[in-house]
Amino acid sequence: DTGVSQDPRHKITKRGQNVTFRCDPISEHNRLYWYRQTLGQGPEFLTYFQNEAQLEKSRLLSDRFSAERPKGSFSTLEIQRTEQGDSAMYLCASTPAVGSSYEQYFGPGTRLTVT
Amino acid sequence: LAKTTQPISMDSYEGQEVNITCSHNNIATNDYITWYQQFPSQGPRFIIQGYKTKVTNEVASLFIPADRKSSTLSLPRVSLSDTAVYYCLNPGTASKLTFGTGTRLQVTL
Repeated sequence: DTGVSQDPRHKITKRGQNVTFRCDPISEHNRLYWYRQTLGQGPEFLTYFQNEAQLEKSRLLSDRFSAERPKGSFSTLEIQRTEQGDSAMYLCASTPAVGSSYEQYFGPGTRLTVT
Repeated sequence: LAKTTQPISMDSYEGQEVNITCSHNNIATNDYITWYQQFPSQGPRFIIQGYKTKVTNEVASLFIPADRKSSTLSLPRVSLSDTAVYYCLNPGTASKLTFGTGTRLQVTL
């Protein structure tokens, strides 16, 4: 257990529905990242926050995806009008302000299945 | 274009030393070399990072030659629980991590 929690752990939804995932980072970590991982592939970066500011978004993050981190604590990732291609593991990670370490603490992930 | 290249899979017997080599021919001057481990249905876990020469911690050793175009992760005396996917990364100044497909290590008795 890294101290990063994600909820729910599993989500099954029908195509076209909206889903929202939550990530609670380690409390003193001010950077929070979202990644997506499909079967047999490594995680792909989606977006990251420094405190409450969203500083970078990947081109993978279409306009159906939105992420927030109000008050710089927990974060939510919402997917609107889900498609079957959205089926993946969504991973959250956190880290203190960047120093010389590239250690990110990952949560257990939320596995999304779109039927 | 992938920044790192590593074997797709490796097999080992329990108790052996495992060395996983990663090529990063285009590594930038300010890039570190970082390795992560991922078990099925879990998020990746940081193992070790280095810039040059040798780094050792309680889990692994990382060997980096002078030209830094490759690196080798060494796992001493692996056990069944070391069966996982191992990722080699070259994080630069950007804070995001770029993962490839990793090396799938299978340890058997």
